[in-house]
Amino acid sequence: GEDVEQSLFLSVREGDSSVINCTYTDSSSTYLYWYKQEPGAGLQLLTYIFSNMDMKQDQRLTVLLNKKDKHLSLRIADTQTGDSAIYFCAESYNTDKLIFGTGTRLQVFP
Amino acid sequence: DADVTQTPRNRITKTGKRIMLECSQTKGHDRMYWYRQDPGLGLRLIYYSFDVKDINKGEISDGYSVSRQAQAKFSLSLESAIPNQTALYFCATSGTSGRPSSYNEQFFGPGTRLTVL
Repeated sequence: GEDVEQSLFLSVREGDSSVINCTYTDSSSTYLYWYKQEPGAGLQLLTYIFSNMDMKQDQRLTVLLNKKDKHLSLRIADTQTGDSAIYFCAESYNTDKLIFGTGTRLQVFP
Repeated sequence: DADVTQTPRNRITKTGKRIMLECSQTKGHDRMYWYRQDPGLGLRLIYYSFDVKDINKGEISDGYSVSRQAQAKFSLSLESAIPNQTALYFCATSGTSGRPSSYNEQFFGPGTRLTVL
């Protein structure tokens, strides 16, 4: 079956860059997504990348896609305490469903 | 007001009880989903519906049932709750109009924390 994997935890100092990694299995995925879940809330779409792109930049966020290795990463520049959350990558499966990763809990310390 | 609402937000119940979780949306979306979130396992799809007459099983549908009462309402039932159904449950919606068919941004409710004793 389809599987999306992430490391469970990441801890960074405020002002540093954070890099959250994800590996996926469905090479036919046309879109890949990053969602953010803040404490006590549902998930919100942070950014996405179309599969024919290698990189997408959106303010402090940079998404890198390596289709050959099926590897997706999210870089957050100048990480702030407000970035502390759980980050999920997701791939489109058969265009009907999303397959979510296990989530990476990002902790930002002063 | 929130576009996707879930009730109740918290529920504690006992083994064997029937429980219904409700989801309503004002986004006008045709597609609705139910997920459960468990620590270290991410989100897993329970059921999804593409319109009022369409219901599909997800990867973990055993022990659950759903009803799509209207385009805006999608409820999840646990017929006889058991402790390993203790989890955080999320409803989500997505729309298909004005988007590429392969784009599937989903909008989530705030979640229902369910504890089965």
